[in-house]
Amino acid sequence: NAGVTQTPKFRVLKTGQSMTLLCAQDMNHEYMYWYRQDPGMGLRLIHYSVGEGTTAKGEVPDGYNVSRLKKQNFLLGLESAAPSQTSVYFCASSYGTYTDTQYFGPGTRLTVL
Amino acid sequence: AQRVTQPEKLLSVFKGAPVELKCNYSYSGSPELFWYVQYSRQRLQLLLRHISRESIKGFTADLNKGETSFHLKKPFAQEEDSAMYYCAPAYSGAGSYQLTFGKGTKLSVIP
Repeated sequence: NAGVTQTPKFRVLKTGQSMTLLCAQDMNHEYMYWYRQDPGMGLRLIHYSVGEGTTAKGEVPDGYNVSRLKKQNFLLGLESAAPSQTSVYFCASSYGTYTDTQYFGPGTRLTVL
Repeated sequence: AQRVTQPEKLLSVFKGAPVELKCNYSYSGSPELFWYVQYSRQRLQLLLRHISRESIKGFTADLNKGETSFHLKKPFAQEEDSAMYYCAPAYSGAGSYQLTFGKGTKLSVIP
């Protein structure tokens, strides 16, 4: 099992460009999450999903959109990237409720110039 | 507002010395509590959770509801314990979900 994978690993964008980050899990987990991590900060929840076709806002959702069309995939979109979105993005998944263990991906380092 | 505080950014201890990583939270209700760890060049992973009452790699964490703390302890530090440690209370209420990570403590074990 690959666990949780993230694509791409690195990306550099110019302000105003758009992109999509892909998260995939092969553990048949219901819950999936997107976090961002900035220097000196903990992980902050952007959006999450409790099942295929559902999404919900987390702590810092502004500027991001998500979709969960398939159970195994969770997409994070930036429609118009801003320098404030320079961060490391982590995807995670868990089997059931939020109290279950979360399994994390390796992260995507995004730089917005 | 829900808040979690890890007061030490960096904690350095000698091998064999006791370790205590502090975590304080401010939540209404009864959150579930976790410690996650990230070793160098590895993914963030669960270390332990309060509900399991378990000891993982010699670490334990005691919940003190009166002080709203969930400190992580180990009696004898090992070099392989060097890592970033994140306290993470999880709380669900009013149809919303919150898992909040602290800013983390970097533990450095000196040989």
